[in-house]
Amino acid sequence: EDQVTQSPEALRLQEGESSSLNCSYTVSGLRGLFWYRQDPGKGPEFLFTLYSAGEEKEKERLKATLTKKESFLHITAPKPEDSATYLCAVQPLGGTDKLIFGTGTRLQVFP
Amino acid sequence: DGGITQSPKYLFRKEGQNVTLSCEQNLNHDAMYWYRQDPGQGLRLIYYSQIVNDFQKGDIAEGYSVSREKKESFPLTVTSAQKNPTAFYLCASSSRTGTNQPQHFGDGTRLSIL
Repeated sequence: EDQVTQSPEALRLQEGESSSLNCSYTVSGLRGLFWYRQDPGKGPEFLFTLYSAGEEKEKERLKATLTKKESFLHITAPKPEDSATYLCAVQPLGGTDKLIFGTGTRLQVFP
Repeated sequence: DGGITQSPKYLFRKEGQNVTLSCEQNLNHDAMYWYRQDPGQGLRLIYYSQIVNDFQKGDIAEGYSVSREKKESFPLTVTSAQKNPTAFYLCASSSRTGTNQPQHFGDGTRLSIL
């Protein structure tokens, strides 16, 4: 069964304290892995797509990496405005565009 | 500004009532999707449509119905058959089907029971 597991469930960081969020996945074949940011009461905002193992993408303080079994979202020197829930989703190979989402990591960055 | 507009932001349903959630996009995207988000669970797919006048059931379609009469619009009806409708409903769209193009989301409708 296709599955996505994110850890930790919640993370509290002090401003400037770098860390990583994990997304482990099990799919029969991977078309793409997606990272989203979600603020309270809002829809998810697209951050990155990763397609193959070894790929990396960067945007400001965020860097996403991908292996055959997991993806990491590295946050370097976070600021309070990075506080949000980060969602990971995988799109299996096949005839539909279905995304399978993890339950997210709730990040709080305090000054 | 291109984007996805969901309305209303908050909706209340009475017992035995059907309610309809609106989703409109001006991104010229072919595919549209409806997800449900519950606390502690990942987003779950309700219905999706890859082209006008065609749609498919997702993982939790029971108690819901959709239509896709126009490319820009994909309304979701929560029927009285849905016994646990309280959730945050998210609409998404993507530019092409059968590819790994990202899905882009609206800002959701929160549905509660009166």
